[in-house]
Amino acid sequence: AQKITQTQPGMFVQEKEAVTLDCTYDTSDPSYGLFWYKQPSSGEMIFLIYQGSYDQQNATEGRYSLNFQKARKSANLVISASQLGDSAMYFCAMRPNTGNQFYFGTGTSLTVIP
Amino acid sequence: DGGITQSPKYLFRKEGQNVTLSCEQNLNHDAMYWYRQDPGQGLRLIYYSQIVNDFQKGDIAEGYSVSREKKESFPLTVTSAQKNPTAFYLCASSLGLAGGQETQYFGPGTRLLVL
Repeated sequence: AQKITQTQPGMFVQEKEAVTLDCTYDTSDPSYGLFWYKQPSSGEMIFLIYQGSYDQQNATEGRYSLNFQKARKSANLVISASQLGDSAMYFCAMRPNTGNQFYFGTGTSLTVIP
Repeated sequence: DGGITQSPKYLFRKEGQNVTLSCEQNLNHDAMYWYRQDPGQGLRLIYYSQIVNDFQKGDIAEGYSVSREKKESFPLTVTSAQKNPTAFYLCASSLGLAGGQETQYFGPGTRLLVL
């Protein structure tokens, strides 16, 4: 069975500070992809970053980086230098490479405080 | 501009009525998906389609139906059998490749409310 767990329903961070959003996953597939999406109040899901299970280095995209610890099955999102526009829901997702389904966590609500 | 469009943005359904949500993409993606999102919850898969004229049930397909007659279009019908349809519905698409990076891209969503 595939499962994504996000244990932080809500997080607060001071503007310009860094924040880590936690994500753990469970899969028996040896090869998979991990994704983070941002959902602002408008509702649209915005793709942020991808990490492949066999990638040796942690993925980075601008102010976003993914702290991938394969042995612990965790894929935490780190946002550096938080901005007010980062306030949104953040979802972790996984796609086993053997199939076409994506599995999503329940999300973390991030609020950036001025 | 390439992307995914969903219409309408808001939809109101009367008891016993079937309603259809539109999803169109011009990304030349093979795979398309429908998700339901309830407050405080993540996305739950309703249906997905990997190619034209083929689709599979997701985790919560009961009370919903889909068709995939064209690569660009994947409409979702919420039937009267769906007793609690009030939710936010998101359509997504991806290349449909097996293995490798396979990012899903989402439309802006449709909010369905029951009158």
